[in-house]
Amino acid sequence: DAGITQSPRHKVTETGTPVTLRCHQTENHRYMYWYRQDPGHGLRLIHYSYGVKDTDKGEVSDGYSVSRSKTEDFLLTLESATSSQTSVYFCAISSGRASDTQYFGPGTRLTVL
Amino acid sequence: SQQGEEDPQALSIQEGENATMNCSYKTSINNLQWYRQNSGRGLVHLILIRSNEREKHSGRLRVTLDTSKKSSSLLITASRAADTASYFCATGGPDAGNKLTFGGGTRVLVKP
Repeated sequence: DAGITQSPRHKVTETGTPVTLRCHQTENHRYMYWYRQDPGHGLRLIHYSYGVKDTDKGEVSDGYSVSRSKTEDFLLTLESATSSQTSVYFCAISSGRASDTQYFGPGTRLTVL
Repeated sequence: SQQGEEDPQALSIQEGENATMNCSYKTSINNLQWYRQNSGRGLVHLILIRSNEREKHSGRLRVTLDTSKKSSSLLITASRAADTASYFCATGGPDAGNKLTFGGGTRVLVKP
């Protein structure tokens, strides 16, 4: 998985609780992305980062925040988890722009009860 | 909204047969990429074709791109059971900034 790890790999939480997912890369790539994957919707971009402390919103950013304090780590936070945020979350990295290949992590399966 | 839409949504073939899936998109692109996802795993990049290219090959994969029809096809020749996976197209365009937009995917089952 091109030097990308995600933690945790599985998490079950309750509605209203905060949740933080971590993506860690060892490739020193500039761009990092958070996607969610749901049946019938494919992959949808939540947030992405184009450098340390530089982030922007994606297609489905409501209810999510991100932070990137160093090149190798990109955190996704659900401030108050809802059942609609039950999903599989993927992190991806890219050395260049979106025109370049993206490399994906193994995913985090999140269940919000 | 999805930029790319794959067709068919699901495909079942016998080992040794060819598998063809299509991707249609709506806006101008710089390139189109195909990814594979095995069950429970992350996506793996297969091939990238730029907007000025019409066809590209990689091993048993053949990708075509028709920008006038805003469509692409992925052909897997002589399929194997290990090709069983979901396949996604993704587009990057001049209006997309640093982002790719993924389609909903085609699930391919290769029966031994």
